[in-house]
Amino acid sequence: RKEVEQDPGPFNVPEGATVAFNCTYSNSASQSFFWYRQDCRKEPKLLMSVYSSGNEDGRFTAQLNRASQYISLLIRDSKLSDSATYLCVVNELTGGGNKLTFGTGTQLKVEL
Amino acid sequence: DTEVTQTPKHLVMGMTNKKSLKCEQHMGHRAMYWYKQKAKKPPELMFVYSYEKLSINESVPSRFSPECPNSSLLNLHLHALQPEDSALYLCASSQESGTLSVWQYFGPGTRLTVT
Repeated sequence: RKEVEQDPGPFNVPEGATVAFNCTYSNSASQSFFWYRQDCRKEPKLLMSVYSSGNEDGRFTAQLNRASQYISLLIRDSKLSDSATYLCVVNELTGGGNKLTFGTGTQLKVEL
Repeated sequence: DTEVTQTPKHLVMGMTNKKSLKCEQHMGHRAMYWYKQKAKKPPELMFVYSYEKLSINESVPSRFSPECPNSSLLNLHLHALQPEDSALYLCASSQESGTLSVWQYFGPGTRLTVT
């Protein structure tokens, strides 16, 4: 079983749609969580951290359920520029420092 | 624009060659990372440096040898690689290592092809 699992998609949605991505993680020692986006042939870029209380940044809302080891990302009013692969990332604090494990990624395509 | 730079952008090397990948950041970050990313796969952590000391090695083969000459620079020395080592090599940095709010900033990567 992969440590961090995501539906690979692609999710094809029209502009203006609301779309949700899910992620599950298996390592209960994971302590902090993030969403990154990665455009084709580019580097990953931090989108937002994910907090247990849920957090929002503009059109993006992230939720964490520690009991179920489940993370979500909701994108409202999708734009063409949102087309990318969204990576769920979990952080485990070890004696050596941070070990970030990236999920397999979910591809989003926003269409006219 | 990214504040983590990597050189070269592309590298083709034979299995007997020795080459180095370079990474630089000027954000004052004290933690730096090497990742390997194969096509259509997520980045996989290779090494973590914290305050210029190697703190995590994810059982990476010795043909990959990291080096952190100072707090701004990170190198990855390559020797006797195999074709399956062909991938995008990403460098990242964060303010510290060992914190919950580990916001990592990635460089654009070096696309390596081993022939």
